[in-house]
Amino acid sequence: GAVVSQHPSWVICKSGTSVKIECRSLDFQATTMFWYRQFPKQSLMLMATSNEGSKATYEQGVEKDKFLINHASLTLSTLTVTSAHPEDSSFYICSAFDRMGNQPQHFGDGTRLSIL
Amino acid sequence: QKEVEQNSGPLSVPEGAIASLNCTYSDRGSQSFFWYRQYSGKSPELIMSIYSNGDKEDGRFTAQLNKASQYVSLLIRDSQPSDSATYLCAVKQAAGNKLTFGGGTRVLVKP
Repeated sequence: GAVVSQHPSWVICKSGTSVKIECRSLDFQATTMFWYRQFPKQSLMLMATSNEGSKATYEQGVEKDKFLINHASLTLSTLTVTSAHPEDSSFYICSAFDRMGNQPQHFGDGTRLSIL
Repeated sequence: QKEVEQNSGPLSVPEGAIASLNCTYSDRGSQSFFWYRQYSGKSPELIMSIYSNGDKEDGRFTAQLNKASQYVSLLIRDSQPSDSATYLCAVKQAAGNKLTFGGGTRVLVKP
């Protein structure tokens, strides 16, 4: 089945550091990828929709200059948390549909980000 | 009003019993519905997808959809301790590919 790989799985860094998270579709081409954030005991909240070759679409309340998204190829999207602060500590998960937009959405394993 | 609503639980069921989870949604034009299982600290894992009214069975899981009532449910038969997790209901909007998730129902299966 379709596989989405996310890297790194865990990051611990100092406040003010910028952190890049990669999301790769391993056996299919993904024109659209999604980035979610999940705080403890809460559900997934969509942050942005990443579109290959064009600008990402951000959900209301998500700072596009804080969370930089690049989707330069059909198999890779990156999320960069710029100048991260403790309140950015969360579980970040990416997902993708295949190129035909077929269901279902496939999730990466997630990245746990801890900012000290 | 939340777009996708679930009872947060926890839903406690004895081993071997049936766990029944419910989900309601507000977008009447929604066409695709999904149930994901999420273990603590892990990403969601797809259990079932359902697109048309009625029941869909896959092993111990049965999804039920009633578009007129804007209601989708998940039944877990012969519940096992390994089924203890949070179950997320997700609805694909009528337009576009975005999924909207409910808050999840935590299920505890007691041996």
